[in-house]
Parts: sequence; structure tokens; C-alpha cells
Amino acid sequence: GEDVEQSLFLSVREGDSSVINCTYTDSSSTYLYWYKQEPGAGLQLLTYIFSNMDMKQDQRLTVLLNKKDKHLSLRIADTQTGDSAIYFCAEKKYGQNFVFGPGTRLSVLP
Amino acid sequence: GAVVSQHPSRVICKSGTSVKIECRSLDFQATTMFWYRQFPKQSLMLMATSNEGSKATYEQGVEKDKFLINHASLTLSTLTVTSAHPEDSSFYICSVIEQGKNQPQHFGDGTRLSIL
Repeated sequence: GEDVEQSLFLSVREGDSSVINCTYTDSSSTYLYWYKQEPGAGLQLLTYIFSNMDMKQDQRLTVLLNKKDKHLSLRIADTQTGDSAIYFCAEKKYGQNFVFGPGTRLSVLP
Repeated sequence: GAVVSQHPSRVICKSGTSVKIECRSLDFQATTMFWYRQFPKQSLMLMATSNEGSKATYEQGVEKDKFLINHASLTLSTLTVTSAHPEDSSFYICSVIEQGKNQPQHFGDGTRLSIL
């Protein structure tokens, strides 16, 4: 079946790097996404990666994909207090629904 | 088992029809529900935040008179696409958060709306 797993909590100090991990089960997924949810708000798309890519970098964000292990990670460099939020990873196959993970709550400590 | 039930999963109807989509929280009470839309080959876009007992909060560019949201109980929110046109054809997905919590967010399976 389809299942996306994430750790529920992560705490880092301001200025450090954050690494949020995600594992998925469906090897035929075409796209993998990272979404951010700030308190009281809906999801915002942060970045996504096509399944034939290994890495994607966008400013402070780096996405790594290990297809063999079905492992996706999001690295946030120089984490700031404004990065405190819940981060969801999601997988999607063409023509089918999104499958989202439960979300990782990132707390940035001063 | 499913936490969120979204119904119907697929709708095909003629232009000018109004279509209602239901989002039900099955396991808990949800003060807040979110409605998203996904255009073909694009990711999800937040349309509105549905708050039980009060008016929904719409994102910029989303017409509130076009997309009517009613969150009448702690387990049900409905999205009505009024006088739908072909450009409203899209995938609509809801999500719920348990009352008193901020995560996890549970998503419905989505509704694929096709307007002819």
C-alpha cells in the first residue's frame, strides 16, 4: 500500500542546518514534494523533485532523493526562526492522488 | 482506516451546474478544514481555510461567491462550486486538523471535477 512516513518533531538552533527526512513506499511515484505549513495556515509548496533526479537545490533548500532506499530529505541551511513550521513530504504518481506524510514540526531555538 | 472522507471522488457535469463537495472528518472533531485545488500538472494550491461556525478565509484570487464554503459542524465542511464552467475543472482536495491540535493534517482523497 501507499505510506509516507516522517518523524513528527525536530528541534534545531538558529543558524544550524535542519534535515527533515521522509520515507515512502511507492517506487512508481513520479514527483515528490515538500510543503510547509505555518501556524493557522494551509500548505505552501516549498519545492519538489522529479523521481529521475537525485538532488535539487533552491537557495537555502536542498532536496536529496535516494530511490533505492525510497528516502527523501529536505535540508534547510542557516535555519531561522521564521522557518519554524510543519513540513510535509508528499508523493504523487501521474493521474493519481497525492499521498502526504504526517508532517514534521520544526522548532528553531534562539 | 480513512480519517477523512471526501465525496464525491469524481464529478462530470455540464457547464452552469453547481457542484457540492463534502469533506467529513471521521475520527475526530475538526475546528479547521482546508480546501485545496490542483490544476493539471501543477501542485496543490490553498483556496480557503474553513472555520467551524464562522466565515471561511479565502486566499487571494479565490472568489468567495464562486466557491461557497460551509463548515456547519465539527465534522463536515462543504465546498460548492457555483455555476461551474470548464475552467473550474480541476482536482479539489480537503484536509482536516483535529480540534486543539496543529498536526498531523489529514487529507481527503480528493474530488476530480470535470465540467463539459
